[in-house]
Amino acid sequence: EADIYQTPRYLVIGTGKKITLECSQTMGHDKMYWYQQDPGMELHLIHYSYGVNSTEKGDLSSESTVSRIRTEHFPLTLESARPSHTSQYLCASEEGTALGETQYFGPGTRLLVL
Amino acid sequence: SQQGEEDPQALSIQEGENATMNCSYKTSINNLQWYRQNSGRGLVHLILIRSNEREKHSGRLRVTLDTSKKSSSLLITASRAADTASYFCATDRYGGATNKLIFGTGTLLAVQP
Repeated sequence: EADIYQTPRYLVIGTGKKITLECSQTMGHDKMYWYQQDPGMELHLIHYSYGVNSTEKGDLSSESTVSRIRTEHFPLTLESARPSHTSQYLCASEEGTALGETQYFGPGTRLLVL
Repeated sequence: SQQGEEDPQALSIQEGENATMNCSYKTSINNLQWYRQNSGRGLVHLILIRSNEREKHSGRLRVTLDTSKKSSSLLITASRAADTASYFCATDRYGGATNKLIFGTGTLLAVQP
């Protein structure tokens, strides 16, 4: 069982609201990732981090932003939510320095923007 | 793109039967992984096979990798209703400067009791 947590699990919010999705891991992993996944579809990488104060945009353009002030914490923020942001957001972490190793996923946050 | 393609998109079998899913990818890789996702949940890592390996086993799971054909297969033997889930393959990018994984489109497996 991976020690990676996401809150909230479900969020229903109105258009224009600012939201922050929390992700934390207690495994001491340097690498962390945010993916966006629509129902029944593949995962798309939207942000990643290789350590404190390191953040990069992923393959899928996203209006969200991330920060990495502490190793264990990688929150994602939407300044002004829109219905097009409705999706599932999955956070993951990865140990070690080798390429393409196992990622450990949180349970996800299902976001619905009305 | 590097994105993996999986087939079939959906598979329905009876409990006790074997299930085979395939994954194809486009460029050279360091390794290939298979993940499982229950409905509405996060992904769980099942198995990782490196580019210099051809076959790997873990319990009822058997994974093969053919780098010449750029393809992999996941076999689940003696399936159970609890195996019902979506299964994704994921590849890294050989020689790339980053650790990003590229996930396939997934196979939805339904095991009927």
